[in-house]
Amino acid sequence: DTAVSQTPKYLVTQMGNDKSIKCEQNLGHDTMYWYKQDSKKFLKIMFSYNNKELIINETVPNRFSPKSPDKAHLNLHINSLELGDSAVYFCASSQVVLRGPGNEQFFGPGTRLTVL
Amino acid sequence: DAKTTQPTSMDCAEGRAANLPCNHSTISGNEYVYWYRQIHSQGPQYIIHGLKNNETNEMASLIITEDRKSSTLILPHATLRDTAVYYCIVRVDSNDYKLSFGAGTTVTVRA
Repeated sequence: DTAVSQTPKYLVTQMGNDKSIKCEQNLGHDTMYWYKQDSKKFLKIMFSYNNKELIINETVPNRFSPKSPDKAHLNLHINSLELGDSAVYFCASSQVVLRGPGNEQFFGPGTRLTVL
Repeated sequence: DAKTTQPTSMDCAEGRAANLPCNHSTISGNEYVYWYRQIHSQGPQYIIHGLKNNETNEMASLIITEDRKSSTLILPHATLRDTAVYYCIVRVDSNDYKLSFGAGTTVTVRA
């Protein structure tokens, strides 16, 4: 059983197009994340949702809009794609335990986006 | 969150223990040490975390110095499948749930 799944795995598109990446987790977690890994391999947080509410938005351009229809899904929609958006995008989820020992994040397999 | 310093790369012989160091000299009292790894073309994978006591699980052991300014991740019997980038992350367990990844250590396990 896949814990965190993403679709599509690969996405090749032209500059200026709009595209979406979907993420689903079947772990019953209440928090989901989007990370971006650029060509230099640095992983950076983009967004985080807790119980369908946005709690982290790391100065990502407003061309990127996350949408969480329910706790198990966090989709990423990107408008007017630019060359610099080419990267691998990872979805993750965790169950937050306040004042607990820590929250292990489970990552999806990634979506490789190539903008031509 | 405190910053971490890790060696860029290291090699390890298959079957031997791999000891991965991490410096976090500015760590504060309520920051945890987390280790994740990323095998090529996969998403990051949680390994272990700790606050001040040493920790062990089925994957690895985490040794944190008494002053908490550094730690070591130990893979007891490295296999070829342990070849990956290993990230040491320190963070406060608060409402800010994000993980801040650095460059990590590229570990290559050789037969």
